[in-house]
Amino acid sequence: NAGVTQTPKFQVLKTGQSMTLQCAQDMNHNSMYWYRQDPGMGLRLIYYSASEGTTDKGEVPNGYNVSRLNKREFSLRLESAAPSQTSVYFCASSDTNRESYEQYFGPGTRLTVT
Amino acid sequence: RKEVEQDPGPFNVPEGATVAFNCTYSNSASQSFFWYRQDCRKEPKLLMSVYSSGNEDGRFTAQLNRASQYISLLIRDSKLSDSATYLCVAPSSGGYNKLIFGAGTRLAVHP
Repeated sequence: NAGVTQTPKFQVLKTGQSMTLQCAQDMNHNSMYWYRQDPGMGLRLIYYSASEGTTDKGEVPNGYNVSRLNKREFSLRLESAAPSQTSVYFCASSDTNRESYEQYFGPGTRLTVT
Repeated sequence: RKEVEQDPGPFNVPEGATVAFNCTYSNSASQSFFWYRQDCRKEPKLLMSVYSSGNEDGRFTAQLNRASQYISLLIRDSKLSDSATYLCVAPSSGGYNKLIFGAGTRLAVHP
């Protein structure tokens, strides 16, 4: 039972390059989330998916796209990377069908855009 | 006003001390709250859930004050291993599918 896994762990991109961050969970959770975390700031929600087949924008969606491939997998795509997207990206999942809404996080992807 | 606000610290305390962090939230309809712990360059991990007036787990006690819209985290008998950033979390006014994370309170426990 791995929980939430993310790949890659580290990535360096040049401005304008594209890439996809992968996330998978094995807890049978219905909801999945992508956050970014910048120094001195809290986690900011980029996109989330309340169930398979649905996605919604969070607080900072510009410059990103997501795909909820199936119940287990939720990917985040940067189409044209910018230095402002240098950050640590965390994926999380939650079982919001229950009364508790705690989220469980993957280990993060550290992205640098030069 | 931010949905969740915390004192960033740092709180520097000696081993064995008792330390308390407060966190205020703006959504008066919120029913459940969480404290997460985040170690440097690691993912946040759930420390405690707070559903009613409070919750206790060993050396950790979380309390909820609905009238004043704040939650607190009390750590007794601090250990060196408690050094971390503690994140206060509340449901978004946009629904329970989303959580709002505070920026965190940094705790440093020294010998």
